[in-house]
Amino acid sequence: AQSVTQLGSHVSVSEGALVLLRCNYSSSVPPYLFWYVQYPNQGLQLLLKYTTGATLVKGINGFEAEFKKSETSFHLTKPSAHMSDAAEYFCAVSGRGGADGLTFGKGTHLIIQP
Amino acid sequence: DGGITQSPKYLFRKEGQNVTLSCEQNLNHDAMYWYRQDPGQGLRLIYYSQIVNDFQKGDIAEGYSVSREKKESFPLTVTSAQKNPTAFYLCASSIFREETQYFGPGTRLLVL
Repeated sequence: AQSVTQLGSHVSVSEGALVLLRCNYSSSVPPYLFWYVQYPNQGLQLLLKYTTGATLVKGINGFEAEFKKSETSFHLTKPSAHMSDAAEYFCAVSGRGGADGLTFGKGTHLIIQP
Repeated sequence: DGGITQSPKYLFRKEGQNVTLSCEQNLNHDAMYWYRQDPGQGLRLIYYSQIVNDFQKGDIAEGYSVSREKKESFPLTVTSAQKNPTAFYLCASSIFREETQYFGPGTRLLVL
């Protein structure tokens, strides 16, 4: 069984400030971890993913995330927020060995203050 | 351009009516999925299919049905047994045994 917890349903940062979105997971098997972004009334776009290897993963639009097994975390960061980053962000986990669906967190709405 | 298309963008259902949401992909992906999104709830898996003519229930399959007669297509029917169908429905696909899923633009279902 797998689960994902995203801390904070809404996060507000100033333009130019650090963005930190938190994700903790539980999984009975070594996980694959994902961050997706969703703009209003649209589908989900993959930001980045961790499968194996390097624990610091770089994605699109300047985002990155670090897999910390000891903390069961996969937090998403961006050094400097831009107005266009305002969106809903979802963390998801998948067990290895089969494509049987992702388990998503409830999402974090990122608000960028001018 | 390769991608996933969902139609219609908005769909209205009357009481007691079955409605079908379309999902088509030209990515040559083997696996396809349906998720339901409710505000503050994240995405929940309804059904998924890893190969043609085979599909499995997800976490919230009650009141829904699917078919997978072609690799490119995975329609979802919301039956009258689904008492709270108002939601945003997202279709996704992936290469077989590749966990990365790619999403369509979604269909918003509303009840009249």
